[in-house]
Amino acid sequence: AQKITQTQPGMFVQEKEAVTLDCTYDTSDPSYGLFWYKQPSSGEMIFLIYQGSYDQQNATEGRYSLNFQKARKSANLVISASQLGDSAMYFCAMREGGPGSNSGYALNFGKGTSLLVTP
Amino acid sequence: GAVVSQHPSRVICKSGTSVKIECRSLDFQATTMFWYRQFPKKSLMLMATSNEGSKATYEQGVEKDKFLINHASLTLSTLTVTSAHPEDSSFYICSASSGSPDYGYTFGSGTRLTVV
Repeated sequence: AQKITQTQPGMFVQEKEAVTLDCTYDTSDPSYGLFWYKQPSSGEMIFLIYQGSYDQQNATEGRYSLNFQKARKSANLVISASQLGDSAMYFCAMREGGPGSNSGYALNFGKGTSLLVTP
Repeated sequence: GAVVSQHPSRVICKSGTSVKIECRSLDFQATTMFWYRQFPKKSLMLMATSNEGSKATYEQGVEKDKFLINHASLTLSTLTVTSAHPEDSSFYICSASSGSPDYGYTFGSGTRLTVV
């Protein structure tokens, strides 16, 4: 069964506007971590933001914020003030297992959302 | 910050030959290395997990005799695609874990393999 679901294959946003990329997850583990990565056409994976399952507040990193709704098992990425350089693939990923346990747990990735920022 | 150097970035090889991909952690000890495969415009699919000094654990459907993984030291893991075929053409990317809490996943820059 798919553990990470990203339902938006492609998204368009105009420069300077905000955009939300959806991600829902499925796990029965009470301890888990949620990640968002950006993958430009070069292929490198760029870490954007992390949310732990026990974190009380939504994570923020500059223009990126994570809208964490635990009961709904969603972890949407919000990019504010989009820039042309934000055009890329965006992947939501999950690590099952708590902090300190990531040495043995691979990330499980969603199918990704292709974001295109237009002038 | 933590850096994983992955080489080569691109490789073209003939069918039947073997190709080795290296991932080195430059400034930390990678206790665990994850190897992923990615088809164009698709997700990253986990191939195997390797821990230093022990045999790799392969995901279901991944041929361990075709994709040989060696994690001989805390700073080097290699993936060898043996007897490559055109269907092995793909983007391969490694991710090292240093065991630190919460974050600790550092990705290599990936290797684009084309088998002709």
